[in-house]
Amino acid sequence: QVQLVQSGGEVKQPGASVKVSCKTSGFTFINYGFSWVRQAPGQGLEWIGWIRVDNADTQFPQRFRDRVTLTTDTSTTTAYMELRRLTSDDTAVYFCARDINWDVDFWGQGTLVTVSS
Amino acid sequence: QTVVTQEPSLTVSPGGTVTLTCGSSTGAVTSGHYPNWFQQKPGQAPRSLIYRTSNKHSWTPARFSGSLLGGKAALTLSGVQPEDEAEYYCLLFYGAPWVFGGGTKLTVL
Repeated sequence: QVQLVQSGGEVKQPGASVKVSCKTSGFTFINYGFSWVRQAPGQGLEWIGWIRVDNADTQFPQRFRDRVTLTTDTSTTTAYMELRRLTSDDTAVYFCARDINWDVDFWGQGTLVTVSS
Repeated sequence: QTVVTQEPSLTVSPGGTVTLTCGSSTGAVTSGHYPNWFQQKPGQAPRSLIYRTSNKHSWTPARFSGSLLGGKAALTLSGVQPEDEAEYYCLLFYGAPWVFGGGTKLTVL
């Protein structure tokens, strides 16, 4: 069955970077793309980027373009999201989600990233 | 900056019908925005319900349906069940970026 299992929660200091992983199984990894979405405490969902596995094409909203790096590893069928220059506003649950042809279907369980000094 | 608008909250009685909408600050929502709809309950990851306007996933209950209505994307729940109480989010595609609506808190009362 399709599974997306994310790495555990992280606590980071302001100015640091965090890298979240999304280990997948149960499907042909290279056929899909992955969106990354975050949710600050008590807030709605925010799309922070997308990567297509077969050609590594990426898309980002302007506000994240210089702080987010998305990568994938086809040997381990894992997607990664790195966010740099963290501030307290980046405290949120980060989700990965699989998609193909604008069909977002399966989600990871979420990873809480806490930014605090 | 593109804004996607949803009703902040709606209330429906069990067994009733309710329609949630998803509008765009750029104009009418079309099939070219590939609307997706998600349900989220407290402490859980979002669950995908509808993709590309009206297509259901294999796990989507039959009482959920998606459409375009009056220039917006719409999610209709017919025969609402108590377990449908949740936050609902739409997602629209603008080339890049994708943009989420602010969410609708649906109360079943």
